[in-house]
Amino acid sequence: GAGVSQSPSNKVTEKGKDVELRCDPISGHTALYWYRQSLGQGLEFLIYFQGNSAPDKSGLPSDRFSAERTGGSVSTLTIQRTQQEDSAVYLCASSLSPGEQYFGPGTRLTVT
Amino acid sequence: GEDVEQSLFLSVREGDSSVINCTYTDSSSTYLYWYKQEPGAGLQLLTYIFSNMDMKQDQRLTVLLNKKDKHLSLRIADTQTGDSAIYFCAERGQAGTALIFGKGTTLSVSS
Repeated sequence: GAGVSQSPSNKVTEKGKDVELRCDPISGHTALYWYRQSLGQGLEFLIYFQGNSAPDKSGLPSDRFSAERTGGSVSTLTIQRTQQEDSAVYLCASSLSPGEQYFGPGTRLTVT
Repeated sequence: GEDVEQSLFLSVREGDSSVINCTYTDSSSTYLYWYKQEPGAGLQLLTYIFSNMDMKQDQRLTVLLNKKDKHLSLRIADTQTGDSAIYFCAERGQAGTALIFGKGTTLSVSS
């Protein structure tokens, strides 16, 4: 079946602009995660959604970052007033059970 | 805090075995994972092991877990050039189900 998809695959934006990144999880997966992968920092957890529960936002680096998940499916990660240090690959993952997380191809964000 | 450490590089010849090592600090981890990332691609789940297991084998892959030493290894038998990639070790963190990743080991396979 279809895996996790993310759009856009690449995004170049100017410093100070807002961006929205989209994730379509695997159908039926109740959990959805956002991670950030940057050079020298490895993979960092950002936010986690599980069903209708309040999201775990403990990994968000600042209040410029927010995410929502509509209808228990598609998720959007929004970064406001982007900074150069936000440049990274943003990865989305979904899972049906806590054991296995399946990742999308990522969105490469470049802030100029 | 929770931390996962891996060596950064490993170079092997085609046909040899590769062993990628990982150490972690969270003794309450319940799952430990190996992911593979090829250039320009997302992370592919290779295998995972429950913390109450010592070993798991899946075709050319063998995972060994030493819970006492908090050491995890991934052995790839008969390594092929297609195995060249970055391999990430991860643990399921104590705070929830978010994964804590190591920085990745770049495996280079020469023919």
